[in-house]
Amino acid sequence: TQLLEQSPQFLSIQEGENLTVYCNSSSVFSSLQWYRQEPGEGPVLLVTVVTGGEVKKLKRLTFQFGDARKDSSLHITAAQPGDTGLYLCAGAGRTDSWGKLQFGAGTQVVVTP
Amino acid sequence: DSGVTQTPKHLITATGQRVTLRCSPRSGDLSVYWYQQSLDQGLQFLIQYYNGEERAKGNILERFSAQQFPDLHSELNLSSLELGDSALYFCASSVATVPRNEQFFGPGTRLTVL
Repeated sequence: TQLLEQSPQFLSIQEGENLTVYCNSSSVFSSLQWYRQEPGEGPVLLVTVVTGGEVKKLKRLTFQFGDARKDSSLHITAAQPGDTGLYLCAGAGRTDSWGKLQFGAGTQVVVTP
Repeated sequence: DSGVTQTPKHLITATGQRVTLRCSPRSGDLSVYWYQQSLDQGLQFLIQYYNGEERAKGNILERFSAQQFPDLHSELNLSSLELGDSALYFCASSVATVPRNEQFFGPGTRLTVL
């Protein structure tokens, strides 16, 4: 089993501050996804990173895949209340050819006005 | 809107009963995944089907079963329900190709067992 550990578990910040969420594993992944989930709703795919060292930007969100493809980070610049949610990382194993993902436990982010 | 639909949205039932949850994948997606999410367990993978065939099993109880039909919709059957089965159940679909493995989630079914 490839375990994905997310940290921190909970993050509460003021609007305008920056934050970083981490996703770590001892296993190598062929790709890694980040999702955001709001209460009572399904996770929504934010980004997929595939190449080691890859950096992707989505407006104020920056995603990085580690060089060894074992870890990833999500950085939010100038957070807004709309960024509030549960952020989940999910990795696809190199040997799994059927698309199964391993999900982390999530980081709950709360941005207060 | 992810394009994945799930019914019903809410389900309230009693212990010992049996329920069926339904999922329709995005157009063109052959793979369907079922997940259970409870407050203390996070998002737990249950089972995956690809074009009608079971491809992967996770932490799925023997009381639970699933199938995928020729039109690619899927059903998750939960029987002999217990209080601890109360949770959100999500279906996701994908084209299931490596390495991107992107999954798109439905809105979920909230199951409450009384």
